[in-house]
Amino acid sequence: DGGITQSPKYLFRKEGQNVTLSCEQNLNHDAMYWYRQDPGQGLRLIYYSQIVNDFQKGDIAEGYSVSREKKESFPLTVTSAQKNPTAFYLCASSPRDRAEYNEQFFGPGTRLTVL
Amino acid sequence: DAKTTQPTSMDCAEGRAANLPCNHSTISGNEYVYWYRQIHSQGPQYIIHGLKNNETNEMASLIITEDRKSSTLILPHATLRDTAVYYCIVRGKTSYDKVIFGPGTSLSVIP
Repeated sequence: DGGITQSPKYLFRKEGQNVTLSCEQNLNHDAMYWYRQDPGQGLRLIYYSQIVNDFQKGDIAEGYSVSREKKESFPLTVTSAQKNPTAFYLCASSPRDRAEYNEQFFGPGTRLTVL
Repeated sequence: DAKTTQPTSMDCAEGRAANLPCNHSTISGNEYVYWYRQIHSQGPQYIIHGLKNNETNEMASLIITEDRKSSTLILPHATLRDTAVYYCIVRGKTSYDKVIFGPGTSLSVIP
């Protein structure tokens, strides 16, 4: 089945440790995104990538890093510099330029808890 | 990207139509209206989109006003499984446009 996978669904880490969240898609989409969601709030964009080996900061990139070495993969690293990393993290992808519209497909999310 | 405003929460009786409003008064001519929903602790799910004409699919209908400054998502026969947060978003048709998710409307379908 085509789709986006994120693993693991729940992740626990000690304060001060870096942690990498995986995101894989087999939809052949060029664009991929990382969002953060805090309780009762909407999604905030962390990083996005339009094409392999290229990515841009979103609205809340501080304390995060990404890479885009393969079209199907867009891992997010939450570094120790992120002051409040406990959150629900969502990955999404979309076709780069469709003639008519451009919906995003979301993964199931990873809930990160820093102890 | 234009911003949207939605009511914080709404209730709907099971089996009734749920009408979710959205204001997007600063929408530009080439921006589409999208609706997504998010069931608790899952990723958002695409529902429907439109530019200026009303749209209908198997999940919902989208009514866009003639001036395009507001729209309404209609779930014709709400079920308990439709309880979710519904997001109204406007964006252009290229993936270079960032998607801005507001807090959305929390819809509770009541038995």
